[in-house]
Amino acid sequence: GQSLEQPSEVTAVEGAIVQINCTYQTSGFYGLSWYQQHDGGAPTFLSYNALDGLEETGRFSSFLSRSDSYGYLLLQELQMKDSASYFCAVSHYNTDKLIFGTGTRLQVFP
Amino acid sequence: DSGVTQTPKHLITATGQRVTLRCSPRSGDLSVYWYQQSLDQGLQFLIQYYNGEERAKGNILERFSAQQFPDLHSELNLSSLELGDSALYFCASSVEESGELFFGEGSRLTVL
Repeated sequence: GQSLEQPSEVTAVEGAIVQINCTYQTSGFYGLSWYQQHDGGAPTFLSYNALDGLEETGRFSSFLSRSDSYGYLLLQELQMKDSASYFCAVSHYNTDKLIFGTGTRLQVFP
Repeated sequence: DSGVTQTPKHLITATGQRVTLRCSPRSGDLSVYWYQQSLDQGLQFLIQYYNGEERAKGNILERFSAQQFPDLHSELNLSSLELGDSALYFCASSVEESGELFFGEGSRLTVL
């Protein structure tokens, strides 16, 4: 089977740095993606790691290690608007379907 | 605005009924995906179409069906509705192999 596990909830204060981990049990995928979803809203794409290593996009960075079946999203200089749910996802060979992780609710406090 | 359009935004219906959700992908995107998200739950993959053909299937119930038309819009049909079918249904489209899906705003279905 395929599964991607994330912590259910993370809390932090404004200006801090937070890391959201994603461990997976799947194989044969193109890469690891991260999505943000505010309550009641649509998921929006944040980043994509096709290769092992770190990808940086502004305040957000994402990391993938295929050998460790592990990835993370790093959010720096947290802002209140970063309070949302964050999902990791893998896109599979042959089908391109995206399977999402369990999701992590991030709460940022003043 | 992601460029993906879903209708209707909200739908309230009764158990046993049938509904159709519609999705227009971004211009040029050939892949369409359908996801179900129940309250405070993750995104469950239902089905994917690519250029009119079914490409991948997830845990889609037999009461549910979908298709993608020649103009690339897609419809998700939900029949014999049950209370547990109440959820947000998202459609997404993508450029192949990009890992980036563009989601519509979703159709919120409430079954009473």
